[in-house]
Amino acid sequence: ETGVTQSPTHLIKTRGQQVTLRCSSQSGHNTVSWYQQALGQGPQFIFQYYREEENGRGNFPPRFSGLQFPNYSSELNVNALELDDSALYLCASSDVQGALFFGPGTRLTVL
Amino acid sequence: AQSVTQLDSHVSVSEGTPVLLRCNYSSSYSPSLFWYVQHPNKGLQLLLKYTSAATLVKGINGFEAEFKKSETSFHLTKPSAHMSDAAEYFCVVSSISSGSARQLTFGSGTQLTVLP
Repeated sequence: ETGVTQSPTHLIKTRGQQVTLRCSSQSGHNTVSWYQQALGQGPQFIFQYYREEENGRGNFPPRFSGLQFPNYSSELNVNALELDDSALYLCASSDVQGALFFGPGTRLTVL
Repeated sequence: AQSVTQLDSHVSVSEGTPVLLRCNYSSSYSPSLFWYVQHPNKGLQLLLKYTSAATLVKGINGFEAEFKKSETSFHLTKPSAHMSDAAEYFCVVSSISSGSARQLTFGSGTQLTVLP
């Protein structure tokens, strides 16, 4: 059974640019969630996708968007990057009991 | 709304002594609760989960947690700390977000230091 994988590991962008982060779900999981973890804080829920549809969103603006593909892999897109978007972005897939299994994350730095 | 409060931001123990990380929850119904661990520069790993079955939940690496409804607590314990236990620990509650998504709400975390 393969775990959740994310790419890239690290990314550096400048303010105003756009970024796409990628995630492959754990085998058998059809729900994927994205979380943002700022330095020294707990992760915060961005949104969740189930069967290619967004079915929940946290307190994040529309410039944070996502996609889920038929093979349950997923993308997180962030437009018009701001300095405060610098964080660890975590992807997670969930089992039927709601426990999330996280990937290693993508460290995004916005300069 | 569901929430969790981790009562200690930092806990320091000596190797071989017991570990206690405290967590209180707030929920309008029977919650699903989890503990996650995060080692430096690594992702989050699920330690254990409570989903209304047995109130004493055993997890990986010798950790366990007890769900106490009367005290709204879900404290994490381990009988004997190991150096490799040094990490950030998050108490987490699961809830339904806008739409039908099940989202996790994380506590602020407890940094565990294990002294030799």
